[in-house]
Amino acid sequence: DVKVTQSSRYLVKRTGEKVFLECVQDMDHENMFWYRQDPGLGLRLIYFSYDVKMKEKGDIPEGYSVSREKKERFSLILESASTNQTSMYLCASGLRGRTYNSPLHFGNGTRLTVT
Amino acid sequence: EDKVVQSPLSLVVHEGDTVTLNCSYEVTNFRSLLWYKQEKKAPTFLFMLTSSGIEKKSGRLSSILDKKELFSILNITATQTGDSAIYLCAVLNSNSGYALNFGKGTSLLVTP
Repeated sequence: DVKVTQSSRYLVKRTGEKVFLECVQDMDHENMFWYRQDPGLGLRLIYFSYDVKMKEKGDIPEGYSVSREKKERFSLILESASTNQTSMYLCASGLRGRTYNSPLHFGNGTRLTVT
Repeated sequence: EDKVVQSPLSLVVHEGDTVTLNCSYEVTNFRSLLWYKQEKKAPTFLFMLTSSGIEKKSGRLSSILDKKELFSILNITATQTGDSAIYLCAVLNSNSGYALNFGKGTSLLVTP
């Protein structure tokens, strides 16, 4: 069974702090994704990566950066957290080139509150 | 701009009812449409649809895709309280690399 693990389930940070959200998958998937989920807005793609050290902007990358130094780990970084980044953050992974044929697998999410 | 629209956004039914959730899309270079169920945690995969008119079925859940009219439906028969969840529709197009474009979801509440 694919396991996608997000390091924190709940996180509370102050405005201006640098925040790291970590995600690890154990199935050797090439593709990894960060989404945020907000009521009434659904899941929106922040960044994704299809290989080590590769990254692509999603629909809402502003205020975020990512790091993929190892295949199994994909980190989302909030350089200076703001209250409008309070959200549920979901990490996902999938096979490259076969996403059309196999689903993404999601982690349990990190609920981040920025005060 | 690619669009995935789900309706209704929320729904309350009684146990035993049958529900139909809708997903329409406008994407270029469509590859596949996926349905996920999300309870309190991670979305879990339900169905992937790539061909028109072929129903996918899993227990009381079924789904079908119409590529001509650009929509899909998810049916749940004899609903149970455990079906209460957010149901997410997502579309993959080959322009988006490997990422899924999600609708806003339908929040389903099944009351006893």
